[in-house]
Amino acid sequence: GAVVSQHPSRVICKSGTSVKIECRSLDFQATTMFWYRQFPKQSLMLMATSNEGSKATYEQGVEKDKFLINHASLTLSTLTVTSAHPEDSSFYICSARGHSKNQPQHFGDGTRLSIL
Amino acid sequence: AQKITQTQPGMFVQEKEAVTLDCTYDTSDPSYGLFWYKQPSSGEMIFLIYQGSYDQQNATEGRYSLNFQKARKSANLVISASQLGDSAMYFCAMREGGNAGNMLTFGGGTRLMVKP
Repeated sequence: GAVVSQHPSRVICKSGTSVKIECRSLDFQATTMFWYRQFPKQSLMLMATSNEGSKATYEQGVEKDKFLINHASLTLSTLTVTSAHPEDSSFYICSARGHSKNQPQHFGDGTRLSIL
Repeated sequence: AQKITQTQPGMFVQEKEAVTLDCTYDTSDPSYGLFWYKQPSSGEMIFLIYQGSYDQQNATEGRYSLNFQKARKSANLVISASQLGDSAMYFCAMREGGNAGNMLTFGGGTRLMVKP
């Protein structure tokens, strides 16, 4: 099946640091990638949708300048949490879909971000 | 209003028995897709099964089947012959419209615990 690779899986860093998370589709071209955030024991909340070569579409309440998304190619999207603070600590997970209408989104394994 | 509702926050099932996880949805779009994902404690999202709104038959994938009742707007997941490895969070999700690039909306999830 389709594979989406997300890196790193775990980040622990000091407050004020910027953190970049990569999401790669390994065996298919991902026209659209999605970034989600998940708090403990809660469901996934969509943060933004990114299409290759264009600006990401952010959900209401998600700060564009805080969460920078770059979808530079059909196989790579990055999420950068700028000047991270403890309240940004969360589980971030990306997903990607191929071209077919009925294809499911395939998810990366997620990144657990802890800001001290 | 909630677009995807999972009314069971947690469920127990005896190993080798079948279990049904409930999911109801709300949409006015005639074209939509329904998905079930499994999320183990490690965090990754595993695609289980897909049902399209125009599909005539209920979807099945191995031990997973989807009880799709369109008039009731329900898409319950049935897991047959439960295994200890089935213990996880299960999320129902919906994609509205015929565009595969549309985002997924997730339900709140159901934590399934399989007892030996």
